[in-house]
Amino acid sequence: GNSVTQMEGPVTLSEEAFLTINCTYTATGYPSLFWYVQYPGEGLQLLLKATKADDKGSNKGFEATYRKETTSFHLEKGSVQVSDSAVYFCALSDRATDSWGKLQFGAGTQVVVTP
Amino acid sequence: DADVTQTPRNRITKTGKRIMLECSQTKGHDRMYWYRQDPGLGLRLIYYSFDVKDINKGEISDGYSVSRQAQAKFSLSLESAIPNQTALYFCATSPWGSVDEQYFGPGTRLTVT
Repeated sequence: GNSVTQMEGPVTLSEEAFLTINCTYTATGYPSLFWYVQYPGEGLQLLLKATKADDKGSNKGFEATYRKETTSFHLEKGSVQVSDSAVYFCALSDRATDSWGKLQFGAGTQVVVTP
Repeated sequence: DADVTQTPRNRITKTGKRIMLECSQTKGHDRMYWYRQDPGLGLRLIYYSFDVKDINKGEISDGYSVSRQAQAKFSLSLESAIPNQTALYFCATSPWGSVDEQYFGPGTRLTVT
């Protein structure tokens, strides 16, 4: 079956540091890949997505590239702010299976940015 | 006003009680979902509905039931609550044309004592 594995947190960074959160996946079909963000006390919000190999998703300074050869979708941001403190979830939806339209989430990675 | 609302936002109940969590949306989306979030486990799908007449079990449906009363409303029930159902519950919606992109409500924190 499909699965998503992401690095454990918490990840603690100073403001303006570089952030990377690793995400790898297994899928039997042709997955679309997503990063969702959950700010404290809120529901999840879509941060970015990529629907095919070599696509790069980007939003709010965050980027992730769909790497089929390494089955990865790592999230990066060059200079984090305190307001980026949140829990980040990697997720996939597999078009070629009955998982289409359903999201499979990783466990989430908490990021804490200090001033 | 929020596009996806959940009521209640917090609830404490006792083992064996029946409880209903409600979700309403003003986004006009056909698809609705219920997830639970547990620390270290991410979000797991409980039930989903692709339209009013379509209800499907997700990964962890045992002990739960749902009702899709209208396009805009999707309720989750715990028939006889147990302590390991203590979790954060999220409702989500997605449009037909972009089924991968889900829009989440603010969550309901449920504690079963």
